[in-house]
Amino acid sequence: DADVTQTPRNRITKTGKRIMLECSQTKGHDRMYWYRQDPGLGLRLIYYSFDVKDINKGEISDGYSVSRQAQAKFSLSLESAIPNQTALYFCATSDLRQREADTQYFGPGTRLTVL
Amino acid sequence: AQKITQTQPGMFVQEKEAVTLDCTYDTSDQSYGLFWYKQPSSGEMIFLIYQGSYDEQNATEGRYSLNFQKARKSANLVISASQLGDSAMYFCAMREGQTGANNLFFGTGTRLTVIP
Repeated sequence: DADVTQTPRNRITKTGKRIMLECSQTKGHDRMYWYRQDPGLGLRLIYYSFDVKDINKGEISDGYSVSRQAQAKFSLSLESAIPNQTALYFCATSDLRQREADTQYFGPGTRLTVL
Repeated sequence: AQKITQTQPGMFVQEKEAVTLDCTYDTSDQSYGLFWYKQPSSGEMIFLIYQGSYDEQNATEGRYSLNFQKARKSANLVISASQLGDSAMYFCAMREGQTGANNLFFGTGTRLTVIP
């Protein structure tokens, strides 16, 4: 089974709808992240969380919110989706105790299309 | 200024040959980490290799090695004995500062195609 799972894997929605993307991990990592990837660009950080009580904005947090329900779960919400939020979304996890300090491991991605 | 620059949008390599993917970075921090990820057509991001700024030896992981030239601020990925399954996008990334810092900065990627 995958260590980092994301649901759904694909989603098509309409402008103005509220969408939640979910991420779960079995790696036991404290840190979790949400990124988006647009064609021709690298990944950009939306939000990150170092533990259940810690939530931080990333580079492009406007229009998004997150919830860290448990150490293993980190959800990303689009309160009112707009077409330019069409992208591939990745969840990632990391842990300072790793040999490769704080290496981030990614989930399989969620492809979101906003019409 | 871009923190990570990958100047090769696409590269081709013959199967079984070695290939170098270029990455330069920009930071004023003394402590930082450099990473390479592979993204196959299926879309997932796969961690390949890590180099810490204080590591004296170049990192190696199987057929992957990282040619770290600190003075030139470059962190090129070398793939030896290329295989067809190596065809993918490759991203270089950097984490600045101590590991208490927040995020990775990614380059725009290089698409590698391995030719049979």
